Amino acid sequence: QQQVKQSPQSLIVQKGGIPIINCAYENTAFDYFPWYQQFPGKGPALLIAIRPDVSEKKEGRFTISFNKSAKQFSLHIMDSQPGDSATYFCAASSPDSNYQLIWGAGTKLIIKP
Amino acid sequence: EAGVAQSPRYKIIEKRQSVAFWCNPISGHATLYWYQQILGQGPKLLIQFQNNGVVDDSQLPKDRFSAERLKGVDSTLKIQPAKLEDSAVYLCASSLVWGQGSYEQYFGPGTRLTVT
Repeated sequence: QQQVKQSPQSLIVQKGGIPIINCAYENTAFDYFPWYQQFPGKGPALLIAIRPDVSEKKEGRFTISFNKSAKQFSLHIMDSQPGDSATYFCAASSPDSNYQLIWGAGTKLIIKP
Repeated sequence: EAGVAQSPRYKIIEKRQSVAFWCNPISGHATLYWYQQILGQGPKLLIQFQNNGVVDDSQLPKDRFSAERLKGVDSTLKIQPAKLEDSAVYLCASSLVWGQGSYEQYFGPGTRLTVT
């Protein structure tokens, strides 16, 4: 019940396309859902995060869509660029687990020029 | 604002040797985390500190791993003796406040450990 399932494992998209990465969870106590971006040789960097009281959050070209009833959330990258090529992790957190992040397995995204 | 600092960035040791990693969190961040990230996987939490106290170390292999945060600021993670399976990137993260709705964790660049 503490798992966060992320798909796909890898994704190749042409420049300008809209990659979509999906995550699903079971624990209804989760109340914070961040996405992290990680480049090779770097630590994960917080990209965008959402709480379950909203269905969508947008920051620049990155959008999180949240479906509370389905217990799913997804990351969309608009007008994707080769510089967006990285590994993306979704995560979830709840007060009853010391606010620790439960991580998805990651999606390796490649944006082709 | 300076980010989370870690050193060294890379370390190669032989099995059964010891190694230590250092982390300096973002100024004012009360919560500090150590993670282990094996290539191709998400980070795995090893230990969480709140100031200089341990919140959770349930996934820390205590027979060989130890961590401290004596003054509630910087922290050291030690492995003694190292095993081949300890080869990974060790990430330090910090967050402003724990338990009051501020969940954002900020990560350092990591230390890549290779055990031969």
